[in-house]
Amino acid sequence: SAVISQKPSRDICQRGTSLTIQCQVDSQVTMMFWYRQQPGQSLTLIATANQGSEATYESGFVIDKFPISRPNLTFSTLTVSNMSPEDSSIYLCSVVRNPEAFFGQGTRLTVV
Amino acid sequence: AQSVTQLGSHVSVSEGALVLLRCNYSSSVPPYLFWYVQYPNQGLQLLLKYTSAATLVKGINGFEAEFKKSETSFHLTKPSAHMSDAAEYFCAVTGILGNTPLVFGKGTRLSVIA
Repeated sequence: SAVISQKPSRDICQRGTSLTIQCQVDSQVTMMFWYRQQPGQSLTLIATANQGSEATYESGFVIDKFPISRPNLTFSTLTVSNMSPEDSSIYLCSVVRNPEAFFGQGTRLTVV
Repeated sequence: AQSVTQLGSHVSVSEGALVLLRCNYSSSVPPYLFWYVQYPNQGLQLLLKYTSAATLVKGINGFEAEFKKSETSFHLTKPSAHMSDAAEYFCAVTGILGNTPLVFGKGTRLSVIA
């Protein structure tokens, strides 16, 4: 199994500001994944974070809005930049160790 | 590439009735398939998973799902619904080659009527 520590668990932020979310995994993994769950919606993949290379973003997500860092094999951050109320969502990090997927506890972000 | 389609965004059943939530998948490689449940304002909880062993998979809370390759389906069932089953259910797929993220369906909200 894998244990993922994600923080903060929730935050209320002013529009126009940025929030950085951190995920720490208890053992080394090649890839970490970041998801967004908008209110009443399913989970949508934002990007894949590889250690030592730039993150790979899914269609509709851009690096300027969601910069990702992956400084080592157990840690990653996702920043939500220049926030607007539309960014209010739950953000989750995940790792896959087949045949299991593991998720952080999620960050519930409210932008006011 | 993988994708899942969950038929029916909302399913309503009577307490004690059969629960059937439908999931069809598309995958260019042999898949691993998952069902998750999410209660209001809570995180995801894994119900069950298919990992190429037995095609009939039993999970928690009395749920089970059957992998049917010929139909590319992985429908979730429970013989008798309970009020506590009311929640959002997500089907997800990933490839067995590893290091690929889960791709989620849009979810099905299950309501249980007394």
